Amino acid sequence: ETGVTQSPTHLIKTRGQQVTLRCSSQSGHNTVSWYQQALGQGPQFIFQYYREEENGRGNFPPRFSGLQFPNYSSELNVNALELDDSALYLCASSVGLAGSEDTQYFGPGTRLTVL
Amino acid sequence: GQQLNQSPQSMFIQEGEDVSMNCTSSSIFNTWLWYKQDPGEGPVLLIALYKAGELTSNGRLTAQFGITRKDSFLNISASIPSDVGIYFCAGRGGSEKLVFGKGMKLTVNP
Repeated sequence: ETGVTQSPTHLIKTRGQQVTLRCSSQSGHNTVSWYQQALGQGPQFIFQYYREEENGRGNFPPRFSGLQFPNYSSELNVNALELDDSALYLCASSVGLAGSEDTQYFGPGTRLTVL
Repeated sequence: GQQLNQSPQSMFIQEGEDVSMNCTSSSIFNTWLWYKQDPGEGPVLLIALYKAGELTSNGRLTAQFGITRKDSFLNISASIPSDVGIYFCAGRGGSEKLVFGKGMKLTVNP
């Protein structure tokens, strides 16, 4: 059973650019959640996808968007990057519907730096 | 964004000592989770709690879901050097959203 993987591991962009981060869920998991973790802070929930549909969203602007594919891999897209978007972006996969006694398994994250 | 009140923010202890940390929320949660994060890694789940009053152990780790459903604590007994890292609490109410604390940085001196 493979764990959650994310790519790339590190990324440097400039303000105004767009970025796509990728996540491959753990085998058998159909739910993926994305989090933003600023330096010295806990992860902040961005949104969750269940069976290719958005299933809840945190307090992030629309320029943060996502996709989940039939194989349950996922993408996080951020448009019009701002300096404050610099953070570690984590995805977590789980089995079943949100709110159930599911365990979220986190990937190693993508470190995004916006200059 | 919303975060839980986690304390202490950091601890420096000697190997073999016990350490406790706790988390409080202004909201009621249905689930409390405790994670550990090492540098360059994602959080790893240590203990999950699903019922108020529940006390659960995982090796040297013990965690409790507070009766009020607004707090939880984690205790690590007989600490070892590999316990070094950042410990996060996380809670979930009636939605899919996990809310995390700011983390507690643990340093263990051999």
